Amino acid sequence: SQKIEQNSEALNIQEGKTATLTCNYTNYSPAYLQWYRQDPGRGPVFLLLIRENEKEKRKERLKVTFDTTLKQSLFHITASQPADSATYLCALRNRGSTLGRLYFGRGTQLTVWP
Amino acid sequence: DGGITQSPKYLFRKEGQNVTLSCEQNLNHDAMYWYRQDPGQGLRLIYYSQIVNDFQKGDIAEGYSVSREKKESFPLTVTSAQKNPTAFYLCASSPDVRETQYFGPGTRLLVL
Repeated sequence: SQKIEQNSEALNIQEGKTATLTCNYTNYSPAYLQWYRQDPGRGPVFLLLIRENEKEKRKERLKVTFDTTLKQSLFHITASQPADSATYLCALRNRGSTLGRLYFGRGTQLTVWP
Repeated sequence: DGGITQSPKYLFRKEGQNVTLSCEQNLNHDAMYWYRQDPGQGLRLIYYSQIVNDFQKGDIAEGYSVSREKKESFPLTVTSAQKNPTAFYLCASSPDVRETQYFGPGTRLLVL
């Protein structure tokens, strides 16, 4: 069956450290993979997109990697701050899908403590 | 000010009642989507629309209906046939079905 698994439900780290979140997928062939941030009671906010032929993408303190051999994407937040505390969702679009459907993981709740 | 708006923020439904959730976008996006989010679960697709006057069922369409009469609007009706409607409902849009989806602020539906 198809699955998207995000490492743990919750991740707690100290301010200033690097947070690393994992997204593993099974029985998908992603055309691209995306990461969203969601705050409690709010809609997800798009952060980064990485395509199947890309290894790494960066945006300010954020970095995403994509390994199609391992079927895994890693999402890094460097120099983390308490304001980075939120739930992070990974989502992928399957190659060959003409309808553009996104499939979502359950999310990882990140807490950055001072 | 461009974006996606959803209203109301909170909605209460009585037994046997149909309720309609509003979703409007002024981004000139062709594609629009409705998702349902339950605690501890990933977003699940209810309905999506690639263009005006066209829509398709997602994974959990039973008990829901939609219309797409205007490009900027994609209302979702939760009918009395939906036996477990309590959830957080999210609307999204994208320039077309192959591009990134952008989400609205959500509507929380509660049953009285």
